[in-house]
Amino acid sequence: GEDVEQSLFLSVREGDSSVINCTYTDSSSTYLYWYKQEPGAGLQLLTYIFSNMDMKQDQRLTVLLNKKDKHLSLRIADTQTGDSAIYFCAETDNQGGKLIFGQGTELSVKP
Amino acid sequence: EPEVTQTPSHQVTQMGQEVILRCVPISNHLYFYWYRQILGQKVEFLVSFYNNEISEKSEIFDDQFSVERPDGSNFTLKIRSTKLEDSAMYFCASMPASSGNTIYFGEGSWLTVV
Repeated sequence: GEDVEQSLFLSVREGDSSVINCTYTDSSSTYLYWYKQEPGAGLQLLTYIFSNMDMKQDQRLTVLLNKKDKHLSLRIADTQTGDSAIYFCAETDNQGGKLIFGQGTELSVKP
Repeated sequence: EPEVTQTPSHQVTQMGQEVILRCVPISNHLYFYWYRQILGQKVEFLVSFYNNEISEKSEIFDDQFSVERPDGSNFTLKIRSTKLEDSAMYFCASMPASSGNTIYFGEGSWLTVV
């Protein structure tokens, strides 16, 4: 079945860039998403990219998609302590919107 | 900004009891979902609902689970006879239309089965 994998932890210093990586197995993925989950909170949609795109930029966020390698990354520029959270990669391959999630990457931003 | 709202935020229930988790999706959305996240594990798809019927469900969504849209605004998940392993955060989500539109999640309902 489809699978999405992420590294579990990332630690950066405030002001640095963070890069969170994700790999997926489903070659028919149509949309790929990044969600943010702060402690005790829900899933906040950060951004998404359509599979025919290579890159999408949204303020401090840059999403890169390498469809050949099935690799997705989220770059956060000028990382702030408020960016500390768990970041989930997710993909969907069907019209109905069922998402397959990675296990989440816990981003820790140190002052 | 419109949002998906869920109640209760936290519920503790005894094993074997029935639980109903409630969700109010965003008003013009057409697709509705329930996901769950067991502590420390991945967020898992349970069920999707469209046009007043289940469109897809996972292996987890067995006969103990049911969903309903009793009126134009609420979307509920019922667990008939809860088990310890049903303890999880349950997320409701909604989407305006098909084909990769943005999927919005609620804040989640923490269910603890004791």
